[in-house]
Amino acid sequence: DTGVSQDPRHKITKRGQNVTFRCDPISEHNRLYWYRQTLGQGPEFLTYFQNEAQLEKSRLLSDRFSAERPKGSFSTLEIQRTEQGDSAMYLCASSLALWRENERGTGELFFGEGSRLTVL
Amino acid sequence: QQPVQSPQAVILREGEDAVINCSSSKALYSVHWYRQKHGEAPVFLMILLKGGEQKGHDKISASFNEKKQQSSLYLTASQLSYSGTYFCGTENRGSTLGRLYFGRGTQLTVWP
Repeated sequence: DTGVSQDPRHKITKRGQNVTFRCDPISEHNRLYWYRQTLGQGPEFLTYFQNEAQLEKSRLLSDRFSAERPKGSFSTLEIQRTEQGDSAMYLCASSLALWRENERGTGELFFGEGSRLTVL
Repeated sequence: QQPVQSPQAVILREGEDAVINCSSSKALYSVHWYRQKHGEAPVFLMILLKGGEQKGHDKISASFNEKKQQSSLYLTASQLSYSGTYFCGTENRGSTLGRLYFGRGTQLTVWP
């Protein structure tokens, strides 16, 4: 399978615990994104990487959230001191940058199946 | 910055047509369309990059009015497999490219 894979698919944790999600993108993709989705809403941007560089992080993301992409390959998203409001589906996506007008825009996003977090 | 989609929900009989609209308050660099079936990941449908551009495959097509900061998705002669939630994602000019803002989605249900 050469798609985007995420692990774990489901995580149930108690409030205050730390959780970590892993994403393995499509190997030739240089961009990797993390989104969060709650019921009835569209995916909400969290952060994205161009190779190993984290280029943007949502201002909605508190200091409890951190993401890494060592060596520009897989990525991890860690949530510290989880709160009930963190319960959501965490989606990872990868893509190639799309060159146009001398700028690098967003190409087709390939999403993983997601990691569902439930905080009790 | 989040685009507004309308309608929120559509119910169709097989073979009927539907239009889903996406509107932004920001100047747009690109518009993406995705479909998400229940319990699955969103799947890419198409991307529009230029004002006036129209794209399509099978019986699903889209247009992009850059001046009005709007895009529309057209589903013709709908099939049962078209059921799902449709999201537009917009990339804004004048901000850091790479960030897609998704609308709240339009839930499409096709009945036989």
